[in-house]
Amino acid sequence: DAGITQSPRYKITETGRQVTLMCHQTWSHSYMFWYRQDLGHGLRLIYYSAAADITDKGEVPDGYVVSRSKTENFPLTLESATRSQTSVYFCASSGTGPNYSNQPQHFGDGTRLSIL
Amino acid sequence: DQQVKQNSPSLSVQEGRISILNCDYTNSMFDYFLWYKKYPAEGPTFLISISSIKDKNEDGRFTVFLNKSAKHLSLHIVPSQPGDSAVYFCAASQAINDMRFGAGTRLTVKP
Repeated sequence: DAGITQSPRYKITETGRQVTLMCHQTWSHSYMFWYRQDLGHGLRLIYYSAAADITDKGEVPDGYVVSRSKTENFPLTLESATRSQTSVYFCASSGTGPNYSNQPQHFGDGTRLSIL
Repeated sequence: DQQVKQNSPSLSVQEGRISILNCDYTNSMFDYFLWYKKYPAEGPTFLISISSIKDKNEDGRFTVFLNKSAKHLSLHIVPSQPGDSAVYFCAASQAINDMRFGAGTRLTVKP
C-alpha cells in the first residue's frame, strides 16, 4: 500500500544502547522529516532531508543521527540512548508545490520509544 | 521558544454544535498554516491549510480563518460529530524545512 510506514511501533531499550527507527515512504516525496512528540511541546523537528544524501538539523538534533541513501528510506539512529530521549517519534514526508511552495506533510503512525 | 501556541489544552462541545479551535503565532514570517487531526496511536492527519494571502479556506465542515494582524488562526467545525473527537494540532511554516507545531487541543464531541 502507498503511504509512509514506521518500524518498530514500540521499542524498549536501555540507556547507552544504540537504537534505529525506520521510516519508509512510497510516494517518492523529496522531503522527509523526523519529529518527536512530548507532552506540552507538540511536535519538534529533529532532522530533515531534502533529497537522497542531503540531510540537515532541525530544532532538537542533539543525540540523533540520520542518513538517506535512498529516496524512500530515512532511518533515525540514537547512538547512545538517554532517558530524555523517551518519546513518540514521527516520520513525515512531503512533496513540493509550484516554485518549491509548501505542501502538507504526511505522517507515519509513530514509534513509541521508552529508554530505561 | 514556542512560536505557535494553542492555549486551550481541551475543548468539549455537543454534537451538532460548532467547535472553534484557536491558535496564536509569534513569527510574522510564517506564510503557510495548517491544521492536523490526531487519533490515539496514529500519526497526525492533514486536515486543512491556508496561505497567508488568504483569510479563509473552507473544506466541507471545516473552515480555517487567518487573522494576520492579530497573528491568530482558528479552525471551525460545523456541525461537530462524535468522530471529530481527537487532538488537533495547528502548524505554521515559513519554509518547507521549518514547520512549527502547537502543543495540541483535545476536542471531545459529546453525543
